[in-house]
Order: sequence, then structure tokens, then C-alpha cells
Amino acid sequence: AQSVTQLGSHVSVSEGALVLLRCNYSSSVPPYLFWYVQYPNQGLQLLLKYTSAATLVKGINGFEAEFKKSETSFHLTKPSAHMSDAAEYFCAVRLPTGGGNKLTFGTGTQLKVEL
Amino acid sequence: KAGVTQTPRYLIKTRGQQVTLSCSPISGHRSVSWYQQTPGQGLQFLFEYFSETQRNKGNFPGRFSGRQFSNSRSEMNVSTLELGDSALYLCASTQEGGPGTEAFFGQGTRLTVV
Repeated sequence: AQSVTQLGSHVSVSEGALVLLRCNYSSSVPPYLFWYVQYPNQGLQLLLKYTSAATLVKGINGFEAEFKKSETSFHLTKPSAHMSDAAEYFCAVRLPTGGGNKLTFGTGTQLKVEL
Repeated sequence: KAGVTQTPRYLIKTRGQQVTLSCSPISGHRSVSWYQQTPGQGLQFLFEYFSETQRNKGNFPGRFSGRQFSNSRSEMNVSTLELGDSALYLCASTQEGGPGTEAFFGQGTRLTVV
């Protein structure tokens, strides 16, 4: 079975500061990993995904994530936070076979950006 | 191209009633998955339908059911509603292309059970 752990349910940063949202996964086989963002009263939007092509993945809105197999991590970063980045962020894992399109999500991290 | 459409956006139901939620996927997508989102449990997978067949099922009671039609539109039904069923129900549409394929989410249906 696969699972995802997101450390820190709430993260607060100043505008212009580095954003670091943590995600660790557990999977018996090499997984596919995703980061989604959710704005209030909205669905989820894909930020980026890891599909084994490259360990450093760049996504939309200046976000990127690095897959580290040795640490079973896929942390999300952005060099400079913007007020519009305030939202909830979810890390998710999908099995390479046998799971269809099922995504298993972490519990989410609420990002607050302060002036 | 049109996104994933979920109707209705908001629902208020009474305990014991049943409810049906609808999801229209992106044109050409044959996979539809449903998720329940609550503050306490986060995002939980309910089930996935592909070409009118349930392909995966999460760990929910039998009161939760779904179906998919030949045009890929999907419905989920919850019978004998309980207060704990209050949640945001999200539908995701995926085009078959392997495990790295993006799932596109609708805006959800906010169900409140009173």
C-alpha cells in the first residue's frame, strides 16, 4: 500500500521568502508523485508531477520539487512567495500499476503568506 | 476545452435522505474518480469508473455507490445520509495515458447533512 505524509499542516512565510512544503511517501514500488493546490471553494489544480523522467521537476507559478529516492521525499519549493500563493497544498501518490487512476493524498498543508 | 463539471455545487439534505451527485468529465476522458474531502479525514478516495465499470473502490460503506454512463458522465449516490457525510465531494477526470497522467478536478459539490 502507498501513503503520503505531509509535515506541517500550517506553514506561514513572509512575502518574498522561500516556500518549503514537505512531502514524504511510502510505496513498495517506485511511485508517481503529484503536487496539487486548492484555493478556497475550488477543486484541485496540478502544480507539478514526478514520472521518473527527471528528479527535479518544474511546475507552474514558479514551483518546483525534487524527488529524492534515498529520503523517500518530494518536497515542494518556491524561491519567493507571493500573496497569491496562499492556498492549501496536497501531495499525492499513484501506483505505477494495478491502481488505475487512484490518487492517495497527504493531509495537506495550508500556506499563509504574510506581508 | 470545457473542464470537469459537477452539479449541483451546494446541497443541503436531512439525515436519512439520499442524494445523487453528478459529474461530467472532460470530453474524451473515460476515467472518473470520486473523492470525499473533510477537515478531519482529508481527501479520501471513494471509487473510480472507467468505461462504465467500477475499476477501484475505496474503504467506504455500501451506502456510497456510483455509476458511469456510456457518455462517461458519472453519478454518485449516498443513501441514508448521516451527519458525518457532510463534506466536499470532488470528481476527477483522467484521460487514459498511464500512471503519470494528470487528473483534472471539478469544483466539487458541497453537501451539508442536517
